[in-house]
Amino acid sequence: EAGVAQSPRYKIIEKRQSVAFWCNPISGHATLYWYQQILGQGPKLLIQFQNNGVVDDSQLPKDRFSAERLKGVDSTLKIQPAKLEDSAVYLCASTDGRAGYNEQFFGPGTRLTVL
Amino acid sequence: DAKTTQPNSMESNEEEPVHLPCNHSTISGTDYIHWYRQLPSQGPEYVIHGLTSNVNNRMASLAIAEDRKSSTLILHRATLRDAAVYYCILRDGGAGSYQLTFGKGTKLSVIP
Repeated sequence: EAGVAQSPRYKIIEKRQSVAFWCNPISGHATLYWYQQILGQGPKLLIQFQNNGVVDDSQLPKDRFSAERLKGVDSTLKIQPAKLEDSAVYLCASTDGRAGYNEQFFGPGTRLTVL
Repeated sequence: DAKTTQPNSMESNEEEPVHLPCNHSTISGTDYIHWYRQLPSQGPEYVIHGLTSNVNNRMASLAIAEDRKSSTLILHRATLRDAAVYYCILRDGGAGSYQLTFGKGTKLSVIP
């Protein structure tokens, strides 16, 4: 079974530029999460999708961050404009969302450096 | 979410058992105890979870105190590949959202 795919793996941009990350979850997984992980800290949830609808985006800085999952499969996370403090690893995770607990499967992440 | 407390770091010798502690004194009756680990330059991966009873799987064992205010992740025989950050997470089973709130975790070093 293929895992969660993310691209690019690394990105370096100047502050005030825009950037986009892509995630392809495990086939058939209805629930998709985006996390931000700053160096030395645990991942922090930014947004959760169920199919193509947003379940929770309470921790997403909506003035600069946006995310979409148009066909309920892959997803993009965008930052516009980027700030220095956005330097972090952005992780995508998915779960199949059936009744009962199902583990989250994480992708390898995209490491963003904002200069 | 209820909070957990873990040591910042621990060391273990290769091929010896490792006991990773987690305190969660404010745990509620519907909170599940989850453990994930994150190997260097990778995303986190699921290790084990439980509610009240001890749990075993191919990766590890989870020992839960009778009052549920603490738990211990047990790696029976540490290998170099087990060097990672281990996160103890409480998830509200009554909320239905399956969200995870990560702390800083315990960085486990395995000495050859």
